[in-house]
Formats: sequence, C-alpha cells, structure tokens
Amino acid sequence: ETGVTQSPTHLIKTRGQQVTLRCSSQSGHNTVSWYQQALGQGPQFIFQYYREEENGRGNFPPRFSGLQFPNYSSELNVNALELDDSALYLCASSLGGGGSSYEQYFGPGTRLTVT
Amino acid sequence: AQSVTQLGSHVSVSEGALVLLRCNYSSSVPPYLFWYVQYPNQGLQLLLKYTTGATLVKGINGFEAEFKKSETSFHLTKPSAHMSDAAEYFCAVSRSSGSARQLTFGSGTQLTVLP
Repeated sequence: ETGVTQSPTHLIKTRGQQVTLRCSSQSGHNTVSWYQQALGQGPQFIFQYYREEENGRGNFPPRFSGLQFPNYSSELNVNALELDDSALYLCASSLGGGGSSYEQYFGPGTRLTVT
Repeated sequence: AQSVTQLGSHVSVSEGALVLLRCNYSSSVPPYLFWYVQYPNQGLQLLLKYTTGATLVKGINGFEAEFKKSETSFHLTKPSAHMSDAAEYFCAVSRSSGSARQLTFGSGTQLTVLP
C-alpha cells in the first residue's frame, strides 16, 4: 500500500509570486484535504476535494485554490504569495462518500518559505 | 463550532515514567476524536481514534486514550515513556463542513523524554 506523497519537499518563493504544491493520495482513497501548519501551531484546514469537486473550505481567501484529478491526486495553488503564507502545507487522504472512514492519513508536507 | 484545547504546550517526563497529555474539546454533536504524533520535519501520524463504542481506545506504540463525555476530555496516556516518544502530539476533533469532514486541531504538546 502506497502512502501519501507530496512534492516538492521544500520551496522558497518571493512575495507576490504563485506556487503549486502536489499531492498523491494513498491507494484506494478518493478524498484529499489540505492543511496549513504555521510554525508552532496546529494544522488549519484549507479545503477538501472529493471526486474532483471542492466539498468544504476553511477560513482561507480565494487566492488559495485547488484541483483534484481523476486519479485522486491533487494540487494546491496559492496566488499573490504573502509572507504569512510561509508554513508547512500538509495533504491528507481519506475514504469519503458512502464508505466514509473518519481517519485522514497525512503526507510528509511541503515547507514553503516566502521571502 | 468545535474546538480543541491542549493543556501544556511542553511536557517533560523521565524515561520509564507515565506520559499524560491532556486534551479537552467542545462540540455541539457527538465528536470523533483523534491523536496524531509529529516527528521533526515530518507529517502527522495517526496514533488512535475514537468514533463510537468503547471509550478506552488503544493505539499504536503503547498509547491509549479515554473518551470522557462528562468531562469533555480525551487525554492521551502511555504507562512507560521511551526516548523515541519525544515528538509533538496533536489532539483533533472531526466535524462536518457541508459534505466535507475536516479536522480541527489543538495547538499541540511537545513531549520531551529525559534519560
């Protein structure tokens, strides 16, 4: 069974730029959630994708957007980067829908630094 | 709204001593509760979960937690600490946001194990 993978591991961007982070879900999982973890804090929910549709969103502005692909992999896009966007971005996969389980399994994260 | 409070941002124990990490939650509906562990520069690993049924839940690496509805608590314990238990621990509650099921995390407890 393949776990959740994320790329890249680390990324440095300049304020105002755009970034795309990628996530491959665990085998058999059809739901992907994205979280932002600022230094010294717990993860904060950004949004969730189920069957290629966004089906829930946290308190993040529209410049945070995402995609889910037919193979259930996902992208997180952040436009107009701000210094406060510097964080560890975590992707989590789970089994949603009628066979919903409540566990979410996390990838290793992408460390984004905005300068 | 649901929230999670972890009492004590830093906990130190001696190797072989009892580990007790505290978590209190607020929820308007029966909660689903989780403990995750995060090692340095890594993602989150699920330790254990409570959804329904038995209130004493056993997890990996010898950890267990007890759901106490009357106290709105879900404290994590381990009888004997190992050096390898040093990490950050997060308590989380799961709630539905539309059709999405998102995790709300506490701010984390850093566990140090002293030789």
